[in-house]
Amino acid sequence: EAGVTQSPTHLIKTRGQQATLRCSPISGHTSVYWYQQALGLGLQFLLWYDEGEERNRGNFPPRFSGRQFPNYSSELNVNALELEDSALYLCASSSRAIWGYTFGSGTRLTVV
Amino acid sequence: GEDVEQSLFLSVREGDSSVINCTYTDSSSTYLYWYKQEPGAGLQLLTYIFSNMDMKQDQRLTVLLNKKDKHLSLRIADTQTGDSAIYFCAELIRDQGGKLIFGQGTELSVKP
Repeated sequence: EAGVTQSPTHLIKTRGQQATLRCSPISGHTSVYWYQQALGLGLQFLLWYDEGEERNRGNFPPRFSGRQFPNYSSELNVNALELEDSALYLCASSSRAIWGYTFGSGTRLTVV
Repeated sequence: GEDVEQSLFLSVREGDSSVINCTYTDSSSTYLYWYKQEPGAGLQLLTYIFSNMDMKQDQRLTVLLNKKDKHLSLRIADTQTGDSAIYFCAELIRDQGGKLIFGQGTELSVKP
């Protein structure tokens, strides 16, 4: 069974640009979660999508947005990139949250 | 409130037991998790415990839950150098559906 896949693995952008990160969940998982792991800040909850709808959102500005497609894959968009957006962005999926998430390996976003 | 606290570092010798501690604050938490993150990788779910349990054992891993003190611990028996990683505890916030709140992570260093 394929795990959670994220692309690209690494992304380098210039301040002010937009970044698009992609995630494919495990087959059969309908929920996708996005987390930001910045140096020294631990894992911060960004977004939760389930059945195509945004279910919950973390304490991030509106320039962080995303969507979930009918095949349950998801995109995270970050507009007007700032230097402090540099981080590892982790995507996870689950069939039921109580059983825990399965994480992808992440996308390392570097803003220069 | 939502807060999960962990000590940042733990160093043990190969063959010893490791105990990683975590405290959480959300009284409605019903599920708690331990994840492992190796360098450059995503998070791997190690084990979880439900709040109606006090202890769970899975091979070398033992999880203890003290609900009164909101304290969770992970004991790794016969620690090996391959166990060197960052360990995160996480709680599922019951009234926010599938949102997991993570601690800052404990970096475990195993010396030969």
